[in-house]
Amino acid sequence: DVKVTQSSRYLVKRTGEKVFLECVQDMDHENMFWYRQDPGLGLRLIYFSYDVKMKEKGDIPEGYSVSREKKERFSLILESASTNQTSMYLCASRPSAGTGENEQFFGPGTRLTVL
Amino acid sequence: DQQVKQNSPSLSVQEGRISILNCDYTNSMFDYFLWYKKYPAEGPTFLISISSIKDKNEDGRFTVFLNKSAKHLSLHIVPSQPGDSAVYFCAASRGSNYKLTFGKGTLLTVNP
Repeated sequence: DVKVTQSSRYLVKRTGEKVFLECVQDMDHENMFWYRQDPGLGLRLIYFSYDVKMKEKGDIPEGYSVSREKKERFSLILESASTNQTSMYLCASRPSAGTGENEQFFGPGTRLTVL
Repeated sequence: DQQVKQNSPSLSVQEGRISILNCDYTNSMFDYFLWYKKYPAEGPTFLISISSIKDKNEDGRFTVFLNKSAKHLSLHIVPSQPGDSAVYFCAASRGSNYKLTFGKGTLLTVNP
C-alpha cells in the first residue's frame, strides 16, 4: 500500500513565523503535490513537483514555496505565516505521468492554525 | 473560473437507498475523471475513476457514469450505508497531465 505521511497532524503558529510542512512518500513516486482544503472551496493546488529539484506553481502559490531535495520528500514552506493561511494542508503523490491512471494518493493532512 | 463544479453542497439519504452525487465540468479537454471520499481530519481516499473512452465504470456498490456531450458525471452508491457519510470530491485531468482539478465537494449523510 502507498503510504504518504505528513510531519504533523495539528500545528499552531504565530503570524510572521516561518513554517515548514513536511511530506514523505514510500512508493518511489515521481510526482508530489501540495493542496490546501478550505470549507466551500474544495482542494486547491499550491505547488507540485514532477521530479527531484523540479517544481511548478499550482493555482494558489502566493505566500508559499517548496523544496524537493530527495525523491521521497516534498516540503511546503510558509515564509511568513499569515492568518489567511489557516487551513488544512494535504500532500499527495503519484507515479510519473503516462503510467496509466491519474490517481493521487493523499496523506492524512496537517491542520495549520495561524494566530 | 471553476472548471469542475459540484452544485450540491450536501445530500441526505436513507440507509439502503441510492445516493447520486453529480459533477459538471466545463473544460472539454478533460478526459479522465476521479471520485475521492474524505472523512473529517483525514486525507481524501480514491474511490473510482473513469476514462472518457467509457461511459460507465463499476466497483462494487459504486458506479460512475459519464455523459461527455453534457460534460456531466455522476457517482451512484447502492445501497447506501451510514459509513458512506463523508465529503465526496469529483476531480478531472487532461491526458497524462500531472494536475487534478477538484470540485468543491458534496457532503453526503446517510441516515440509519
